[in-house]
Amino acid sequence: EPEVTQTPSHQVTQMGQEVILRCVPISNHLYFYWYRQILGQKVEFLVSFYNNEISEKSEIFDDQFSVERPDGSNFTLKIRSTKLEDSAMYFCASSEEGQPNQPQHFGDGTRLSIL
Amino acid sequence: SQKIEQNSEALNIQEGKTATLTCNYTNYSPAYLQWYRQDPGRGPVFLLLIRENEKEKRKERLKVTFDTTLKQSLFHITASQPADSATYLCALDERNTGFQKLVFGTGTRLLVSP
Repeated sequence: EPEVTQTPSHQVTQMGQEVILRCVPISNHLYFYWYRQILGQKVEFLVSFYNNEISEKSEIFDDQFSVERPDGSNFTLKIRSTKLEDSAMYFCASSEEGQPNQPQHFGDGTRLSIL
Repeated sequence: SQKIEQNSEALNIQEGKTATLTCNYTNYSPAYLQWYRQDPGRGPVFLLLIRENEKEKRKERLKVTFDTTLKQSLFHITASQPADSATYLCALDERNTGFQKLVFGTGTRLLVSP
């Protein structure tokens, strides 16, 4: 069964450094998402992306965050200047269509640790 | 304020029994509600989606109900097995049209003992 893959599985970065998290969504999916989960808390929506544009973003997704689909397969999340509070699991997801009646398929996440 | 609430305490049951998990929401009017399973250190895995005009949805040993009057969904696992031990998340879309933006509950941890 096709799956969403994320790399790296664990990223350790010094505060203030830039970090790029990578995702390969399912190949025929057109809608892409990033979520984060701080340890012990709920999964929170960050951003959705379709047709090379951000379609929706949350309050968490401020100017320090950006997303890109640099080629036909990768989808990346960049954090420009990391803060301690950015430490979390970051999940990429994709769906075939974007409507609310569609399930999302998640990767296994990147654990981001900011020192 | 808008809330999605799931029982934060772990649910412990014996193998073979039926597990019932609850999801209550406030100040949302979702047309769809989804349930996901999450294992430690893994991403959520989609299980079932139910529409507002469906009272019940089944898939193998799983059953979901959706009561829009009570603003509640129940998730049942019948003949539970130790392999069902995981955290179960309910999720809904903030809006019923346009691009999806899932909002998750905190999840309920299920422990099935042999």
